Amino acid sequence: EIVLTQSPATLSLSPGERATLSCRASESVSYSLAWYQQKPGQAPRLLIYDASNRATGIPARFSASGSGTDFTLTISSLEAEDFGVYYCQQRSSGPRPLTFGGGTKVEIK
Amino acid sequence: EVQLVQSGAEVKKPGESLKISCQASGYSFTTYWIGWVRQTPGKGLEWVGIAHPGDSDIRYNAPFHGHVTISVDESNNTAYLHWSSLKASDSAIYYCARSQSNDWTFFDHWGQGALVTVTS
Repeated sequence: EIVLTQSPATLSLSPGERATLSCRASESVSYSLAWYQQKPGQAPRLLIYDASNRATGIPARFSASGSGTDFTLTISSLEAEDFGVYYCQQRSSGPRPLTFGGGTKVEIK
Repeated sequence: EVQLVQSGAEVKKPGESLKISCQASGYSFTTYWIGWVRQTPGKGLEWVGIAHPGDSDIRYNAPFHGHVTISVDESNNTAYLHWSSLKASDSAIYYCARSQSNDWTFFDHWGQGALVTVTS
């Protein structure tokens, strides 16, 4: 299976700061990568699909880029509501299973 | 409005059976894939399997294949996840999630989750 490694594990930032989260795949997933946000007690929420497309209703401060094995999620200016755990997820073509990364926790500094 | 409403929390004993449900509304149930995702503190988010209600195509992640059964009922827009014999290691939160993508590359709507606790 394709392993997704997210870094850093924890990001401590203040509101207004820029957050940069990384997701690295063990082999190429082309553009088939999504990002989710999860808050305590809630289900994951889709932020980004196909590597760089914002999901419906997601604010423009969230952006993402990458292809192949290296992907980045950027939050341009953190707001209080943005704190939580962020996961990347891939589903490349073929019989390999869909997998998730281990998550990056964005916390208030 | 797309909604996925899951059945409630369950407490079961090892060896017991269990079927949890996910009722969809607000869209054409037979058009989109609907999957199941497990979340545990130790292993994080894991894909269990996925079904396409329109053609009954069902796929499983290998570690879960043979231990769980995914089914769908088009008559009431509901997907199910079934265990015939639970293990303590099945204790987790289980989410159903819809995929807008034809190749189920991402999940755009999620249920609220169902906590399953298996304990003797």
